[in-house]
Formats: sequence, structure tokens, C-alpha cells
Amino acid sequence: GAVVSQHPSRVICKSGTSVKIECRSLDFQATTMFWYRQFPKQSLMLMATSNEGSKATYEQGVEKDKFLINHASLTLSTLTVTSAHPEDSSFYICSASGDLYNEQFFGPGTRLTVL
Amino acid sequence: AQTVTQSQPEMSVQEAETVTLSCTYDTSESDYYLFWYKQPPSRQMILVIRQEAYKQQNATENRFSVNFQKAAKSFSLKISDSQLGDAAMYFCAYRSVILGEYGNKLVFGAGTILRVKS
Repeated sequence: GAVVSQHPSRVICKSGTSVKIECRSLDFQATTMFWYRQFPKQSLMLMATSNEGSKATYEQGVEKDKFLINHASLTLSTLTVTSAHPEDSSFYICSASGDLYNEQFFGPGTRLTVL
Repeated sequence: AQTVTQSQPEMSVQEAETVTLSCTYDTSESDYYLFWYKQPPSRQMILVIRQEAYKQQNATENRFSVNFQKAAKSFSLKISDSQLGDAAMYFCAYRSVILGEYGNKLVFGAGTILRVKS
């Protein structure tokens, strides 16, 4: 199956700093990428959906100025958590879809801890 | 809007036994996809099985099979000959076939934690 990577796998930062998480599709072109947030023992919560070269569509309640998403190429999307605070600590997962018909392939996730 | 309900927060099964995880969904669409995903302790999401709603035949993948009841909007997962490696959180998910501008979102259930006893 298709492979999606995320970097870093784990990041610890101080409150007030910004953190960038990368999501790459390694062996296919991802026309659509999705960003999820997951709390322990809970389901995945979709944060935003992005198409390559277009602005991301954010789900209701997700602050677009806090969670900046850039889908600059068909193999790379980035999520930047700006001015991170302890409540932003969570597990962030990306997924990628090759075209509108394909299933989503998930990255391994990034654990963010904000001190 | 579509919703997916998993009513079993946790389930346990003895190794080599069979377990069934429940999932119901609500939709007004006639064609859609249903999925079961596995999330082991590594937290990597793994696709277990997929069912297309227009197909009446239940999907199977080795020890994993589904019981798809379209009229009842039910989509349960049966795991046969359970193994220790099956221990994970399992998510049921729905996806429309109607193409949106940004592809098709997955609607997830709350998940079921499956514990396998040796």
C-alpha cells in the first residue's frame, strides 16, 4: 500500500513557540491531505482538509490562525501550530489521498507536548 | 450529516476465540463506503477491511469479516481465531461516494478498545 510519513514523530516545545509538522506521501501524489487531532483513547477529530495549491478547509471550531496548513506540493503538507500552549498538546495524524476516489493512507502521527 | 456509533467502549476476547465489534451509522445516502481501521499501541492507523454499500456480499480479509446489514445500517466486524496482535483500538468509519471539492472525508466512530487475553 501507499506510504505516508510524518516528521517529527515526537516534539517537545516551550509555551509560546511555533512547531511545524511535515506530512509526506512517499510513493504517490497526494491531491488531498487531511489533518487530524487525537486525544488518548478517543477518536480522530478532523481538523482540516487541503488540496495541493489551495487554501485548507478547516472544520468548525478549529482556529485557522493557530493551525496553519500548507499543501505546497503533491507530496508535502505541513501543519504549523503557532504560539503553542499546553492545551495544544496532543497526537496529530495526517492522511493522504491520491485522488478523489482513493482511500486515505495514514501517517504514523506526531506527539506534541507543550511545556 | 452522517454519524457513526460504536456502542462498545471496550471488549475482551480470549486468544483463539471469536469476537464481534458493533457499528451502526446514519445516512440518507444510498451509496457509500464503510471501513474498519485498527490502531495498535504504535498508533499507526491500519485499514482492516472495506465494504462498498452497493455490494451485497460481506467483505472478508483472512480472519476478519463483516456483517453488513444495509437496511439496519449496521456494520459489525468479526475477528476469528483472535491473536495477541489483534489487541488495538478499532474504529468504524463512513465515507460518502459523492465527490466533494476536497475529496471525501472519513466520519469515524468513537472506537472500541479490544483486549486479547492469553
